[in-house]
Amino acid sequence: NAGVTQTPKFQVLKTGQSMTLQCAQDMNHNSMYWYRQDPGMGLRLIYYSASEGTTDKGEVPNGYNVSRLNKREFSLRLESAAPSQTSVYFCASSDNYALSYEQYFGPGTRLTVT
Amino acid sequence: GENVGLHLPTLSVQEGDNSIINCAYSNSASDYFIWYKQESGKGPQFIIDIRSNMDKRQGQRVTVLLNKTVKHLSLQIAATQPGDSAVYFCAEWGNQGGKLIFGQGTELSVKP
Repeated sequence: NAGVTQTPKFQVLKTGQSMTLQCAQDMNHNSMYWYRQDPGMGLRLIYYSASEGTTDKGEVPNGYNVSRLNKREFSLRLESAAPSQTSVYFCASSDNYALSYEQYFGPGTRLTVT
Repeated sequence: GENVGLHLPTLSVQEGDNSIINCAYSNSASDYFIWYKQESGKGPQFIIDIRSNMDKRQGQRVTVLLNKTVKHLSLQIAATQPGDSAVYFCAEWGNQGGKLIFGQGTELSVKP
């Protein structure tokens, strides 16, 4: 099992450019999440998908869109990148069954917007 | 609003000593808590979890203590090793609609 995979690992964008961050999990998890992590800070939830076919806003959704393509894949799109979106982006997945809400994280995408 | 926070942003310990990382939470309805470890350049990794009907849970070299009276969570690491150097996050799950809420993190530095 690869767990949670993310592409790309690094990306540099110019202000106004768009891009899509890809995430896939092979653990048959129902729920998937996108977080951003700024230097010296914790994880802030951007969007999440509790199950295939549903998406909901998290704490910091402005400037982002998501697509739950199928049960395995959850993508994050920046339509018009801004320097404030320079961050490390983590995708996570979880099963959310009664005994555990553990989220499994990908390795992250390091995005710089100039 | 409800949040999870950490008392100490940095902690430096000697190799072999025990480490204690603290976390305060304010949502009394939270019923599940997790500790994550994040090494530099990597995603967070699960360490240990605890449900609100427990006050202590032990893993390999780690123990999590939950004090619901004062809404306090701690992670104890026994015989701390250089490989334990990382940022540690607590997270809570409650009535926030299917989401984990993460604290800001504590950086643990282990001196050889």
